[in-house]
Amino acid sequence: QTVVTQEPSVTVSPGGTVTLTCASTTGTVTSGHYPNWFQQKPGQPPTSLIYSTKNKHSWTPARFSGSLLGGKAALTLSGVQPEDEADYYCLLFYGGNWVFGGGTKLTVL
Amino acid sequence: EVQLVESGGGLVQPGGSLRLSCAASGFTFSGYWTHWVRQAPGKGLVWVSRIDNSGRTTNYADSVKGRFTISRDNAKNTLYLQLNSLRDDDTAVYYCARGAGATSGSHILDYWGQGVLVTVSS
Repeated sequence: QTVVTQEPSVTVSPGGTVTLTCASTTGTVTSGHYPNWFQQKPGQPPTSLIYSTKNKHSWTPARFSGSLLGGKAALTLSGVQPEDEADYYCLLFYGGNWVFGGGTKLTVL
Repeated sequence: EVQLVESGGGLVQPGGSLRLSCAASGFTFSGYWTHWVRQAPGKGLVWVSRIDNSGRTTNYADSVKGRFTISRDNAKNTLYLQLNSLRDDDTAVYYCARGAGATSGSHILDYWGQGVLVTVSS
């Protein structure tokens, strides 16, 4: 059974920079896993931020960026804002099926 | 404006069945893959199933394979999820999400509905 692992919780100061990561028990995460990143705030559905590793939507704030880093998918927030406090989920593609990571609770403090 | 609106949730006993619907508007529904994703109360997101734009190709998570069936009616711009042999751990909010365009080659879940709650309990 494939498991996708994220940091359970991360704390960052306003204006700071933070990188969230997404690892796979199958090994190195590559562009072929088409990493997606989602933000979810309490009581709301998820919002797509990044797809296919690093591509942004028209609504994705410029401070969010996606990459591959050290065998993992990564989401970097530069110049964190208080409204970025939320849960963040990665999603990886495994040839027909998809698997979400367990999510990272980002606290801005 | 792209909109996805789920319906059909509710309370059902263990072993029971339910059919969820997702009405799509604001885009050419027949041109896109679509997904179901669920979230148990206080827990993370879990991918459940996807269907291609024509309805011919489907995929399922192991946890629902053989119990859930995804389908679509492109004439009605509607996605479905038939839930059978329901268990307590199927209790969750179920979201539909728009996937990749049929010719785009991308792998994406860009627009999501508000979700519908399914509660499995005796």
